[in-house]
Amino acid sequence: SQKIEQNSEALNIQEGKTATLTCNYTNYSPAYLQWYRQDPGRGPVFLLLIRENEKEKRKERLKVTFDTTLKQSLFHITASQPADSATYLCALGRRALTFGSGTRLQVQP
Amino acid sequence: DVKVTQSSRYLVKRTGEKVFLECVQDMDHENMFWYRQDPGLGLRLIYFSYDVKMKEKGDIPEGYSVSREKKERFSLILESASTNQTSMYLCASSQGGAQETQYFGPGTRLLVL
Repeated sequence: SQKIEQNSEALNIQEGKTATLTCNYTNYSPAYLQWYRQDPGRGPVFLLLIRENEKEKRKERLKVTFDTTLKQSLFHITASQPADSATYLCALGRRALTFGSGTRLQVQP
Repeated sequence: DVKVTQSSRYLVKRTGEKVFLECVQDMDHENMFWYRQDPGLGLRLIYFSYDVKMKEKGDIPEGYSVSREKKERFSLILESASTNQTSMYLCASSQGGAQETQYFGPGTRLLVL
């Protein structure tokens, strides 16, 4: 069956370091992959989309990679700040999105 | 800015009640979605709609129905609420194909007693 895996354990890092979050999937051939940010009690907010023919995408301090051979996407936040603390969700699909359960990032000042 | 609003932030209902959750978007988006979010399970798609009066089942449609009479409004209906439908319900909308960015509402936290 189709499965999306994100690390369920929270990631704790120091301010200024690079945070790296992982999204692995099985039994999918997605055309694109998206990353969203979700703060407690709020709906997810779109961050980045990467297509299957793109290896890497950047937006300000954010970088996403997409390896369709490994079936994995990495999401990086460079020079992390306490305001980056949130849950980050990956989502993929061809017709409708399927979301991972998310990884909680905590950036310590 | 795209705005997606949901009728209630918090709702408490009794088992067996009929529950209506309403979602309205103001950007003339074609697509609308209903998800539920539970700890450890992430967001799961209940139903979606590509056009007025069109609907398609998502991954977990059992116990739910939907209505889309107008383009901007998408309603989720729990015909007879049960305790296992206690959850956070999120509505989203998008333009174009289903692969496009989804814009989410703030969510409705439903408690069924």
